[in-house]
Amino acid sequence: DAKTTQPNSMESNEEEPVHLPCNHSTISGTDYIHWYRQLPSQGPEYVIHGLTSNVNNRMASLAIAEDRKSSTLILHRATLRDAAVYYCILRAFGGSNYKLTFGKGTLLTVNP
Amino acid sequence: DAMVIQNPRYQVTQFGKPVTLSCSQTLNHNVMYWYQQKSSQAPKLLFHYYDKDFNNEADTPDNFQSRRPNTSFCFLDIRSPGLGDAAMYLCATSRDTEGSYEQYFGPGTRLTVT
Repeated sequence: DAKTTQPNSMESNEEEPVHLPCNHSTISGTDYIHWYRQLPSQGPEYVIHGLTSNVNNRMASLAIAEDRKSSTLILHRATLRDAAVYYCILRAFGGSNYKLTFGKGTLLTVNP
Repeated sequence: DAMVIQNPRYQVTQFGKPVTLSCSQTLNHNVMYWYQQKSSQAPKLLFHYYDKDFNNEADTPDNFQSRRPNTSFCFLDIRSPGLGDAAMYLCATSRDTEGSYEQYFGPGTRLTVT
């Protein structure tokens, strides 16, 4: 799997938007960009994924750069429950893409 | 309603005493995965099943085995747990292994080895 680079930590205030960046300069044309998060003492939770176009779901939005070398996960209004480690993971369509290769992720702290 | 269920949530075993962790799913997904997550580390895949086909990661120790008797259930067997096997064990499912499909995780079983 191609590598991603994320900041080690970020901080936000409750009810404010949060933009979590991810760089993936070696992404290939068939790599999907996945985001998962892991709350303390819980299993990882799927957040969102996309290929080329921006994506929205009930949890978040995913903004993908035109050259696909970076992406941003957007939480529109952070809550205390959003405090977690956020992982940006690339998964290819085809090949040995069956697994999620987790990096260190970004630890998001949400202040009340 | 829980979609990926892991039992027990906490398991204590003795050094060298075999232990089995279980996972069940209500999603009817084809693929089931077992990940190991040690303290302050990211999850790491041990193996996965696509239907009945077992796929082992190259660096998974022989001490770890798995069984999938049917679509809904998957078991992780640790034949002779060592202190280094203390970790959170995560079960996940996916409809397929292609990169466009997401994985759904259970809450994990935290294994302590005494």
